[in-house]
Amino acid sequence: TQLLEQSPQFLSIQEGENLTVYCNSSSVFSSLQWYRQEPGEGPVLLVTVVTGGEVKKLKRLTFQFGDARKDSSLHITAAQPGDTGLYLCAGGDGQNFVFGPGTRLSVLP
Amino acid sequence: DTGVSQNPRHKITKRGQNVTFRCDPISEHNRLYWYRQTLGQGPEFLTYFQNEAQLEKSRLLSDRFSAERPKGSFSTLEIQRTEQGDSAMYLCASSLVWGGQGRQYFGPGTRLTVL
Repeated sequence: TQLLEQSPQFLSIQEGENLTVYCNSSSVFSSLQWYRQEPGEGPVLLVTVVTGGEVKKLKRLTFQFGDARKDSSLHITAAQPGDTGLYLCAGGDGQNFVFGPGTRLSVLP
Repeated sequence: DTGVSQNPRHKITKRGQNVTFRCDPISEHNRLYWYRQTLGQGPEFLTYFQNEAQLEKSRLLSDRFSAERPKGSFSTLEIQRTEQGDSAMYLCASSLVWGGQGRQYFGPGTRLTVL
């Protein structure tokens, strides 16, 4: 069974701070996705990474896929209150996705 | 593109009752997925359809859970004889896939509370 772990589970920071959250697994994935979910809504895709070592940037968000395609990180620069939400990673094996438990981020003004 | 819609958004039921949820995917999307999400956890995959064919159902939580997509468009998820442990958010997602995996678009979910 493929499992994804995410750390930290909770993170509360002040506006303007930088942060990194992690997604780890003992399994290799063909692709890895990051989502953000707000209360009462479904997850919204932020990025998909498919190549080991790949780095993608989305404004203040930087995503990295590990060389072995088993782990990933999400770095947010100068966090804003609008970044508050549940950040989920999901690993794909070609048929379906396995989600991690998420990191709940709170950015305080 | 009106997005994925789910109905109802909230359902409160008594233990032992049957419930049915509906998901309307994005038009022309050929894949439809069902997930369950409990508090503090990520979505847990339940089943998915490629058009009207249910390609994976071994992860349905018990034989009380069943899903259909009779015409390859909307889908329903039924839970029979509900239990308090079934209380969760039930998410639907759809994607357009041609070999490999396409991007999944999630609906807002149906929150089930079993009293």
